[in-house]
Amino acid sequence: AQSVTQLDSHVSVSEGTPVLLRCNYSSSYSPSLFWYVQHPNKGLQLLLKYTSAATLVKGINGFEAEFKKSETSFHLTKPSAHMSDAAEYFCVVSDPWDGSSNTGKLIFGQGTTLQVKP
Amino acid sequence: GAGVSQSPRYKVAKRGQDVALRCDPISGHVSLFWYQQALGQGPEFLTYFQNEAQLDKSGLPSDRFFAERPEGSVSTLKIQRTQQEDSAVYLCASSLAQGRGLGNQPQHFGDGTRLSIL
Repeated sequence: AQSVTQLDSHVSVSEGTPVLLRCNYSSSYSPSLFWYVQHPNKGLQLLLKYTSAATLVKGINGFEAEFKKSETSFHLTKPSAHMSDAAEYFCVVSDPWDGSSNTGKLIFGQGTTLQVKP
Repeated sequence: GAGVSQSPRYKVAKRGQDVALRCDPISGHVSLFWYQQALGQGPEFLTYFQNEAQLDKSGLPSDRFFAERPEGSVSTLKIQRTQQEDSAVYLCASSLAQGRGLGNQPQHFGDGTRLSIL
């Protein structure tokens, strides 16, 4: 079974400093991995995705993530935090399609709350 | 263009009442997913439709939960005889992809329906 573990439930940074949100995954397959962001009372917005192309993935709003198979990690980073980055972040793995028990559903981590201090 | 639209945004119901939650996916999107997000948790899969066919309902927590998508576009999630543990945000997502393509394409989420059972 596939799963993701977000190693920090809460991360606090100062505006202008780097952001690191950690995620480890478990998968029997070559995984498809995503990071989504959720602002209060809003739906989920895709930040970036990894689908077995380049291991360093660039996303929106200056975020990027590196897929490391040897470490089974997919950590999210941003060089300089902005106040508008404060939100909930989810690391997600996609269940691969096999036509029967697996239908491409997303499996979410527990989330990391990012706080950005002025 | 319009994104995924969910209605109502907020729903308050008394325990034992039936509720119906609506999802309008992005036009032309074949795949539609429902997820349940409890407070402070990541979303969890409920069910998946490919066009009008419900291919996976393994995440529905009980037989009180029922989903349909009769014409392959709008979907309704119905919960009968609601219980307090049904209180959550219900998210709908759609994707242009289907089958094996689902793992490589993002799912587009609506803002959700926040359901509160008193």
